[in-house]
Amino acid sequence: QPALTQPASVSGSPGQSITISCTGTSSDIGGYDYVSWYQQHPGKAPILIIYDVSNRPSGVSDRFSASKSDNTASLTISGLRTEDEADYYCSSYTNTRIFEVFGGGTKVTVL
Amino acid sequence: EVQLVQSGAEVKKPGESVKISCKTSGYSFTNYWITWIRQMPGKGLEWMGRIDPTDSYTDYNPSFQGHFTMSIDKSVSTAYLQRSSLKASDTAISYCARHLWENWSEDSWGQGTLLTVSS
Repeated sequence: QPALTQPASVSGSPGQSITISCTGTSSDIGGYDYVSWYQQHPGKAPILIIYDVSNRPSGVSDRFSASKSDNTASLTISGLRTEDEADYYCSSYTNTRIFEVFGGGTKVTVL
Repeated sequence: EVQLVQSGAEVKKPGESVKISCKTSGYSFTNYWITWIRQMPGKGLEWMGRIDPTDSYTDYNPSFQGHFTMSIDKSVSTAYLQRSSLKASDTAISYCARHLWENWSEDSWGQGTLLTVSS
């Protein structure tokens, strides 16, 4: 059972915006601003697209934005494109012996 | 350019051992921890543990401790993940990744190594 809870799937039409939620606890998301998001295309390694809750690494499209409120983080993809079809994972630092936890992943489908 | 290049896919029988490598380049190897992450077939990501290349200090996910061993060879800027007494349930992709302390994320990943355990 993943420590962070994400919806299994989210879909949208090209050009639309979608939001993926990621719910944890006060031991992880709620307690620290160390939330990251990763994009994973089929058969590929994950890529970091958001760190520190809402920051984008160099080269990541500004169509990706993220935020956090209490124990829930959110990733928004604006202007949805076919190349955004992928699995998206949230992660967070946790003050337990595991140190880092992931969500179960959300499959984004562009209709 | 930061690169992490992992060893190729492995097919093993139950009870055998495996050692997966993660060769790094393009940065100072001892300045960043290496994280190992597992992905079972069709499943999500799981944090297995991390190792400090400076002194080989490790932290293991309790769920994995005793099942895997992480190690380092500084002379060749390479991290290793070793597993003995393999079981069919060990079939998975393992990723190594460079860990950023300042924002607790993994900014560069290896391509993944698929381990298949089957009799």
